[in-house]
Amino acid sequence: DGGITQSPKYLFRKEGQNVTLSCEQNLNHDAMYWYRQDPGQGLRLIYYSQIVNDFQKGDIAEGYSVSREKKESFPLTVTSAQKNPTAFYLCASSIWGATEAFFGQGTRLTVV
Amino acid sequence: ELKVEQNPLFLSMQEGKNYTIYCNYSTTSDRLYWYRQDPGKSLESLFVLLSNGAVKQEGRLMASLDTKARLSTLHITAAVHDLSATYFCAVVSPRTSGSRLTFGEGTQLTVNP
Repeated sequence: DGGITQSPKYLFRKEGQNVTLSCEQNLNHDAMYWYRQDPGQGLRLIYYSQIVNDFQKGDIAEGYSVSREKKESFPLTVTSAQKNPTAFYLCASSIWGATEAFFGQGTRLTVV
Repeated sequence: ELKVEQNPLFLSMQEGKNYTIYCNYSTTSDRLYWYRQDPGKSLESLFVLLSNGAVKQEGRLMASLDTKARLSTLHITAAVHDLSATYFCAVVSPRTSGSRLTFGEGTQLTVNP
């Protein structure tokens, strides 16, 4: 089945560590996005990518990094520079310029 | 900067009642989306509204868009418990293409028996 797969579902990070969240899609979508959701709040855009080997900062990019080496994959690294990384992270994809984004099931990251 | 505001943020209603959730946005956009989120889950697309005056209905939910007023509404008719969830509206950022979305804070709906 076509869709967006995020892994892992739950992730624990120690202070000072970098961690990478995986996002893979087999929808043949050009564009991919990473959003962060804090409890009781809406989603905020971290990074997005329109095409392979290109990506743009969103509204809250500090402390995060991404890569887009393949059309299907858009991993997000939460670096030690991100001071408050505990949140629910959602990956999405769309046809660039199209009407709708489709979301993965999310990764819940907790700092321990 | 595009801002999206929803109200109310919390809504507790009885089964069988009607209510409306409002979504206002601050700058011109002709694409607005409504999503549903169950606790701990991802977002489920409900409606895509692409033009002024657009109205879409699915079951007990109906969404509309007024681009001149920069307002969308999500109307709930004869609520049932299964509609309990958080509802988000999202607007495409102006001067960009694609699906870069700015979200409202969400409306947490609880439908009581």
